Amino acid sequence: GENVEQHPSTLSVQEGDSAVIKCTYSDSASNYFPWYKQELGKRPQLIIDIRSNVGEKKDQRIAVTLNKTAKHFSLHITETQPEDSAVYFCAAAGGGNKLTFGTGTQLKVEL
Amino acid sequence: NAGVTQTPKFQVLKTGQSMTLQCAQDMNHNSMYWYRQDPGMGLRLIYYSASEGTTDKGEVPNGYNVSRLNKREFSLRLESAAPSQTSVYFCASNSGTSVTEQYFGPGTRLTVT
Repeated sequence: GENVEQHPSTLSVQEGDSAVIKCTYSDSASNYFPWYKQELGKRPQLIIDIRSNVGEKKDQRIAVTLNKTAKHFSLHITETQPEDSAVYFCAAAGGGNKLTFGTGTQLKVEL
Repeated sequence: NAGVTQTPKFQVLKTGQSMTLQCAQDMNHNSMYWYRQDPGMGLRLIYYSASEGTTDKGEVPNGYNVSRLNKREFSLRLESAAPSQTSVYFCASNSGTSVTEQYFGPGTRLTVT
């Protein structure tokens, strides 16, 4: 089955700096890569996703890049703000609509 | 629309007790999922239902059973709870017509003593 690895497990940045979270996946058949944000005590919520026919996607301060050859994808957050502090999960899905999640990154944006 | 709802929000069980976690969605989604979330381990799929009338095992199905009662509802049952099942349980759903965003419920925090 699919295996998704996520790094780093914790990330601390100064407000206004950029944050990068990286994930690798094992199944070359995976074709959908979402990123979820989870605030403390809340449910995971989708912030951005990318499909395998696209190399990069942006939404305001958030961007995701995908390298299918290397089987890795990354989340980039620019101009970080305190409200970006949360746990971020990457995931990968192939056939069957099942998501396999990474183990999460605790992002802390310090003032 | 309420989206995905779950009951109860919190539950404490003693070892060996049984209980059913309820999940419902009002988005006319075909596919529904049950995950557990443990510290440092992300979200792990327990069972899923690709469409009404079908269920399949996920990554960690042992100790659980599920029922897709109708298109809206998907329940998770613990027949004999164990301390290792202490976790936060999330239900999710998506359209199922292609690989798309999964919408999560608010979660159930379960403690087994």
